[in-house]
Amino acid sequence: DSGVTQTPKHLITATGQRVTLRCSPRSGDLSVYWYQQSLDQGLQFLIQYYNGEERAKGNILERFSAQQFPDLHSELNLSSLELGDSALYFCASSPRQGGSQETQYFGPGTRLLVL
Amino acid sequence: AQSVTQLDSQVPVFEEAPVELRCNYSSSVSVYLFWYVQYPNQGLQLLLKYLSGSTLVKGINGFEAEFNKSQTSFHLRKPSVHISDTAEYFCAVTTIKAAGNKLTFGGGTRVLVKP
Repeated sequence: DSGVTQTPKHLITATGQRVTLRCSPRSGDLSVYWYQQSLDQGLQFLIQYYNGEERAKGNILERFSAQQFPDLHSELNLSSLELGDSALYFCASSPRQGGSQETQYFGPGTRLLVL
Repeated sequence: AQSVTQLDSQVPVFEEAPVELRCNYSSSVSVYLFWYVQYPNQGLQLLLKYLSGSTLVKGINGFEAEFNKSQTSFHLRKPSVHISDTAEYFCAVTTIKAAGNKLTFGGGTRVLVKP
């Protein structure tokens, strides 16, 4: 158990809908990351937040957005969902500013199925 | 931009035999290197990382990896595997001077340990 929690574990929804994935980092961690794991694209970095501010951005679609709240939990919002958004979404956290030396601790993921 | 290639998508191996998982990376700047393991239905867990210093890195569960700058490789090895090592293994890189900590992952290698 990494100490990172993600809810829900599973989510089934329809095309065109909007969902919110939630992540609570390890106690004391300031940086939060989001990744998408799919069969065709593999594991891809989406976005990183440090202490409420966006710090790095990857291949995140415009339909997707994220934020980190004052209590350091984070939410990933996915809208206008398409079949291809079906994937496992991971959240990770790290202790400090999220410099490249830091180990990222991954949560168990949220499995999203878009029908 | 950097990229990671894991040369074997699947590696079957008998229990107590050695295993080597190959990872090559491409980057125009210096990188940090990581190996993560994903057990079935779980998140990713760090096995080991190379930041600097000795090119031979020892990690958890008896794994080790060797950084070879001239060959841009970071192969993972274990001298004797157990059934419990059945999992998917991911090699990842991040650039040393990056803003933030964006991990770029390889496609993964599934290890199946047979009795």
